[in-house]
Amino acid sequence: GAVVSQHPSWVICKSGTSVKIECRSLDFQATTMFWYRQFPKQSLMLMATSNEGSKATYEQGVEKDKFLINHASLTLSTLTVTSAHPEDSSFYICSASGSESGYEQFFGPGTRLTVL
Amino acid sequence: AQKVTQAQTEISVVEKEDVTLDCVYETRDTTYYLFWYKQPPSGELVFLIRRNSFDEQNEISGRYSWNFQKSTSSFNFTITASQVVDSAVYFCALSEALYMKTSYDKVIFGPGTSLSVIP
Repeated sequence: GAVVSQHPSWVICKSGTSVKIECRSLDFQATTMFWYRQFPKQSLMLMATSNEGSKATYEQGVEKDKFLINHASLTLSTLTVTSAHPEDSSFYICSASGSESGYEQFFGPGTRLTVL
Repeated sequence: AQKVTQAQTEISVVEKEDVTLDCVYETRDTTYYLFWYKQPPSGELVFLIRRNSFDEQNEISGRYSWNFQKSTSSFNFTITASQVVDSAVYFCALSEALYMKTSYDKVIFGPGTSLSVIP
């Protein structure tokens, strides 16, 4: 299957700082990327859907000014957690899909964010 | 609205026992996809199976098998002769198909079942 990478795999930051997480489709063009958040011992919750070249669509309850999503190219989407706080500590997972992947969603390995 | 229910929060079995993980889903769409994913302690999701709503055939892959029954909106997953390496959290998921009914939209995950296989 297609490969999706995330960088970094883990990050620790101080409260109040901003953190950027990258999601890349390595061998196909991803017209759509999804961002999920997973708190410990909980399920994955969709945060937003981003289509290349357009604004992301956020799920209800997700602050779009806090979680900035950019999908400027067909192989890269970024999630920026602005002014991070301890309650933002979570496991963030992206997935990517496109016609080249048969619209199958391929998941990245996840990024573990810890805010001190 | 879409919803996935996995009633079993945690299951413990002794190695070599068979175990079935239950999944019940809700959707108004007639065309949809169902998935099972495995999430080991490392956190990375491992894709196990995708099934579309028009294919009710049961599937077997090695020690894994899946039973899809539209009449009861269930998509259960059985592991036979369980092994310690099967210990993980298993998620059942649902996605409604997009416009051409050949691709699909966002995936809605169930709450997951944590499986522990004891040696």
